[in-house]
Amino acid sequence: DGGITQSPKYLFRKEGQNVTLSCEQNLNHDAMYWYRQDPGQGLRLIYYSQIVNDFQKGDIAEGYSVSREKKESFPLTVTSAQKNPTAFYLCASTMGRGAGEQYFGPGTRLTVT
Amino acid sequence: GQNIDQPTEMTATEGAIVQINCTYQTSGFNGLFWYQQHAGEAPTFLSYNVLDGLEEKGRFSSFLSRSKGYSYLLLKELQMKDSASYLCAVRGETGGFKTIFGAGTRLFVKA
Repeated sequence: DGGITQSPKYLFRKEGQNVTLSCEQNLNHDAMYWYRQDPGQGLRLIYYSQIVNDFQKGDIAEGYSVSREKKESFPLTVTSAQKNPTAFYLCASTMGRGAGEQYFGPGTRLTVT
Repeated sequence: GQNIDQPTEMTATEGAIVQINCTYQTSGFNGLFWYQQHAGEAPTFLSYNVLDGLEEKGRFSSFLSRSKGYSYLLLKELQMKDSASYLCAVRGETGGFKTIFGAGTRLFVKA
């Protein structure tokens, strides 16, 4: 079955620790995205990548980092510099370099205390 | 600035019809999407409009007016499972096809 997987579904970390969220897709999609969702707010774009070894900052990239070494994988690291990291994180992908609808992974709920 | 507005919450009765409106102001336009999101789950694609008019897909229809910066999602024959958030999203021309999402409309379907 083709799709996007994110792991883990729930993640708990102490303040000051970096944490990496996994995102893998086997849809052969070129473009991948990371969003953050907070209660009462729309999805906000953190980073996106249209091709391997290339990525761009989204609207709220501060305190986050990504890599795109393989087409299938787009991991997101939440660093200790992120002021308010507790949120629901969604990874998505699209065919081509951004055309078409986005396919979303199941999300990772990160709680930092 | 770029902005997408949609009502925060709506309530409707099972079997009825509901219309969820969305207005947008974006620096470019390359299509409007509607997604459904159940609580704690990932959004799933419902519809896509790039030209003015109505797109129908089963119980769901979506309308677009580019000149008015307006869209609506129409849900017919409501079922309890339609209780979810509905996200309006606009893909702009700049920034590598970045998509801007509205905050979503929470729809409650009651018996």
